[in-house]
Amino acid sequence: GQNIDQPTEMTATEGAIVQINCTYQTSGFNGLFWYQQHAGEAPTFLSYNVLDGLEEKGRFSSFLSRSKGYSYLLLKELQMKDSASYLCAALDSNYQLIWGAGTKLIIKP
Amino acid sequence: GAVVSQHPSWVICKSGTSVKIECRSLDFQATTMFWYRQFPKQSLMLMATSNEGSKATYEQGVEKDKFLINHASLTLSTLTVTSAHPEDSSFYICSARETEFNEQFFGPGTRLTVL
Repeated sequence: GQNIDQPTEMTATEGAIVQINCTYQTSGFNGLFWYQQHAGEAPTFLSYNVLDGLEEKGRFSSFLSRSKGYSYLLLKELQMKDSASYLCAALDSNYQLIWGAGTKLIIKP
Repeated sequence: GAVVSQHPSWVICKSGTSVKIECRSLDFQATTMFWYRQFPKQSLMLMATSNEGSKATYEQGVEKDKFLINHASLTLSTLTVTSAHPEDSSFYICSARETEFNEQFFGPGTRLTVL
């Protein structure tokens, strides 16, 4: 079956760095997305990886290893506004997004 | 970036009534639109996928006669919750993508409360 695993909740300190991991098993693979979702709001796009390696975009970076079925989202210089849920989603062979349950990130001052 | 609008943003209705939610892609043509439901503290749950001009594909367990989806144009899809009941109260989110390789752009969501 298809499955996405990511931690349920993580806590980090303002100004620090946090890495949110995601492992996936899908029927075919056409890329991996990370979305940020604040409570009561719709998800917003953060990143898309289809090739192995690290993609950096400001304070956020995303990494993909296709051979390991593994990705992570790295957030640097954490700010209080980064408190949100972070959703990992893999695009399968039918171009359908398979969603993880999301990681709730709590930032403490 | 691409913008997807959703209307209404929230709605309260009596049990037994029908509610229509609109999803529009404002600055691109969406070949595919998706409808999600999200209960509190849970992840997105895909309800159905719709391609312009064809019937929607519903996920297992989603009643197609209850959740009517119409994707009449490349910029508009509608979800009608028919004979809504309190258990249908949820956050309904649509998303749209231009091609298979584009990310999905999400609408702001519609919070439905059925009394």
